[in-house]
Amino acid sequence: NAGVMQNPRHLVRRRGQEARLRCSPMKGHSHVYWYRQLPEEGLKFMVYLQKENIIDESGMPKERFSAEFPKEGPSILRIQQVVRGDSAAYFCASSPAGRTGELFFGEGSRLTVL
Amino acid sequence: EDKVVQSPLSLVVHEGDTVTLNCSYEVTNFRSLLWYKQEKKAPTFLFMLTSSGIEKKSGRLSSILDKKELFSILNITATQTGDSAVYLCAVESGAGSYQLTFGKGTKLSVIP
Repeated sequence: NAGVMQNPRHLVRRRGQEARLRCSPMKGHSHVYWYRQLPEEGLKFMVYLQKENIIDESGMPKERFSAEFPKEGPSILRIQQVVRGDSAAYFCASSPAGRTGELFFGEGSRLTVL
Repeated sequence: EDKVVQSPLSLVVHEGDTVTLNCSYEVTNFRSLLWYKQEKKAPTFLFMLTSSGIEKKSGRLSSILDKKELFSILNITATQTGDSAVYLCAVESGAGSYQLTFGKGTKLSVIP
């Protein structure tokens, strides 16, 4: 019974490149969340998705960041033209329908921008 | 804006000690408060609290919520080195918002 799977676990990009982070939710979970954790900071909400729908993207930066959760395949968080300030751990979490509070987190993807 | 403040930020104790971690919050439409344990990897769920005064318990860990005073505590008795982690408190607001607002965490170190 696999948990939330994220890949890659570590990603290094140079400024201006694109970063793509993937997340497969737990089996049976239809809700996916992305959170960002900066050094010495708490987890910050970015976006909440259900299959083929963005429900709440109020935590996403207005530019360069996008997320999707297609009908088939993993959820993807895409960061275009990365800058050093994007260096962080990006956590994906999932929950079953109707239980939005209790989240199951993946191990995170650590992005380093050189 | 919803806000969660945890204290202390870090704590060092000896095995066998009892610790109390604090979490205070301000939220416009409270739905639940959650505790997570984060070792080096994924935060793992500990408790969800929605009602005041009802203690949730799991082994040596317990937690209680005071909705009047807007805080929660997490107690760990007879601490072990395996309890060393960052403990995260989060609040969920209702009214259509599905976000959790997290505190910065309390880093607990248990030394033999």
